[in-house]
Amino acid sequence: QKEVEQNSGPLSVPEGAIASLNCTYSDRGSQSFFWYRQYSGKSPELIMFIYSNGDKEDGRFTAQLNKASQYVSLLIRDSQPSDSATYLCAVQTGANNLFFGTGTRLTVIP
Amino acid sequence: SQTIHQWPATLVQPVGSPLSLECTVEGTSNPNLYWYRQAAGRGLQLLFYSVGIGQISSEVPQNLSASRPQDRQFILSSKKLLLSDSGFYLCAWRKANYGYTFGSGTRLTVV
Repeated sequence: QKEVEQNSGPLSVPEGAIASLNCTYSDRGSQSFFWYRQYSGKSPELIMFIYSNGDKEDGRFTAQLNKASQYVSLLIRDSQPSDSATYLCAVQTGANNLFFGTGTRLTVIP
Repeated sequence: SQTIHQWPATLVQPVGSPLSLECTVEGTSNPNLYWYRQAAGRGLQLLFYSVGIGQISSEVPQNLSASRPQDRQFILSSKKLLLSDSGFYLCAWRKANYGYTFGSGTRLTVV
């Protein structure tokens, strides 16, 4: 089983702050990296994906990938109470192998 | 646009009873389809995937089976449920280069 590690949290940030979520993975052959958001009782929804080293920005979200360090992160700028959810890191090592971390629970305090 | 449907949304079943969960995808052809389970406090675990009709790959040995009788239909089954089969079951399809899209899930409680 490929390992994807996340800090389970909970991570609490005040409204308007930057939330930083981190993920490490064990398989150096991993090709694609995804961040999903999961609200309580709901299914995960894809919010970001990144394939190459560096940063990728989409609105308030920035994904960062460092393959040498086997590290991927998600930054959420101007955090809103509606961002409160569990964030899942997922790593793809093959065409049909997408492995998930256990998630980090984020709470944005108004 | 593509959509993925799962049903039922919730299910309470006694130990030893059979199970059938259905997933269908609309708006695409020959999708790769996946069944995941999310147990309380644990990450999503890949159970089965299928790259085409009748083609099933199992990732973990277990009490469950999967079938793909039609191109856009994926079924998860069990002949006799165990307490440990409780969890949140998610069907997903893979859009090339864009990750997996999940259905709304079925919350199964085995009592």
